[in-house]
Amino acid sequence: GAVVSQHPSWVICKSGTSVKIECRSLDFQATTMFWYRQFPKQSLMLMATSNEGSKATYEQGVEKDKFLINHASLTLSTLTVTSAHPEDSSFYICSARAETGPGGANVLTFGAGSRLTVL
Amino acid sequence: GENVEQHPSTLSVQEGDSAVIKCTYSDSASNYFPWYKQELGKGPQLIIDIRSNVGEKKDQRIAVTLNKTAKHFSLHITETQPEDSAVYFCAARGSTLGRLYFGRGTQLTVWP
Repeated sequence: GAVVSQHPSWVICKSGTSVKIECRSLDFQATTMFWYRQFPKQSLMLMATSNEGSKATYEQGVEKDKFLINHASLTLSTLTVTSAHPEDSSFYICSARAETGPGGANVLTFGAGSRLTVL
Repeated sequence: GENVEQHPSTLSVQEGDSAVIKCTYSDSASNYFPWYKQELGKGPQLIIDIRSNVGEKKDQRIAVTLNKTAKHFSLHITETQPEDSAVYFCAARGSTLGRLYFGRGTQLTVWP
């Protein structure tokens, strides 16, 4: 089945630094990837929709200059948290849409998530 | 946009019993309804989905039912096992390329 790899699985950084999270579709091409943020014991909050070769579409209230998204190829999207602060600490999850596959068209597969802790 | 409500928020059952989680949606145009299982510290994993042209779908111990008229869909887990313990999310999608709208999640605990 479709596999999405997310790296790193956890990262600790100092306040003011930038952190990059990678999301790769391993066995399929994904023209669209989604980035979510999840707080403890809460649902997934969509941050942005990433389309290969074009600018990401951000949800209302999400700062695009703070959360930079790049989708340069059909198998890789990156999320960079710039000038991170403690309030940016969270669980970030990417997902990719497989246009075709054994599970059916347009099934969304999630990465394992990245735990960011900003000190 | 779409609004997905999910109940209950927590559910505890004895091993071997059945568990049912219910979701409602607001947009009649929604046509795809996946269910995800999320274990602690991991990303959500698709366990079953249903499209609007089908009323019920089953995969071994799990099944999903969809009532388009009432705009609700449910996840049924039979013969529950401790390893079924996790958070379960329902979701709805309005168009083929559209985003998913998630419910708030249900923490299922199966006691041995």
